[in-house]
Amino acid sequence: EDKVVQSPLSLVVHEGDTVTLNCSYEVTNFRSLLWYKQEKKAPTFLFMLTSSGIEKKSGRLSSILDKKELFSILNITATQTGDSAVYLCAGGDMRFGAGTRLTVKP
Amino acid sequence: EPEVTQTPSHQVTQMGQEVILRCVPISNHLYFYWYRQILGQKVEFLVSFYNNEISEKSEIFDDQFSVERPDGSNFTLKIRSTKLEDSAMYFCASSPLPTGVNSNQPQHFGDGTRLSIL
Repeated sequence: EDKVVQSPLSLVVHEGDTVTLNCSYEVTNFRSLLWYKQEKKAPTFLFMLTSSGIEKKSGRLSSILDKKELFSILNITATQTGDSAVYLCAGGDMRFGAGTRLTVKP
Repeated sequence: EPEVTQTPSHQVTQMGQEVILRCVPISNHLYFYWYRQILGQKVEFLVSFYNNEISEKSEIFDDQFSVERPDGSNFTLKIRSTKLEDSAMYFCASSPLPTGVNSNQPQHFGDGTRLSIL
């Protein structure tokens, strides 16, 4: 059975800290791995990763995929209170992990 | 920026009744999806739809559920004989191409319909 496991489940940091969120996956028909940010309602897209070892960056956020070890990480540097959200990882067949709840304190 | 819109934002229904959740995907998108998120739990894939047919469905999407694109703009999810455990947030999403297939075309989500079964 396909599964996506995220860790940690929750994380509390202070503004300015750097965080690393983890996603491991076992999917039978891998096409891509996606990261979403969910604040109050709809998940909003962050990254899609299809190739191993190529980092994708967007401002303070970056992500990389390791297809051999079947995991991905999402890094957020210089965290801000607006980064507080649940970060979701999904396998290419749109199987979601449980998410990591990030709380950034002022 | 174009958005996926869902109506209603909150639907309250008596157990056993049928409910239809409505979505208007982004206009040039061809692939449509429904997900649900039970309170405090993970987002779960229900079904994907392309060219007026279901392309994939999960084990959750049983005979109680059906989807339809009744016209050129709406995409609906019908739940028959609703049960208490159907209470959840239901998200619609759309994408121009299948996610992950030779593209960087993610799914865009609507804000969801909160379904409460009493």
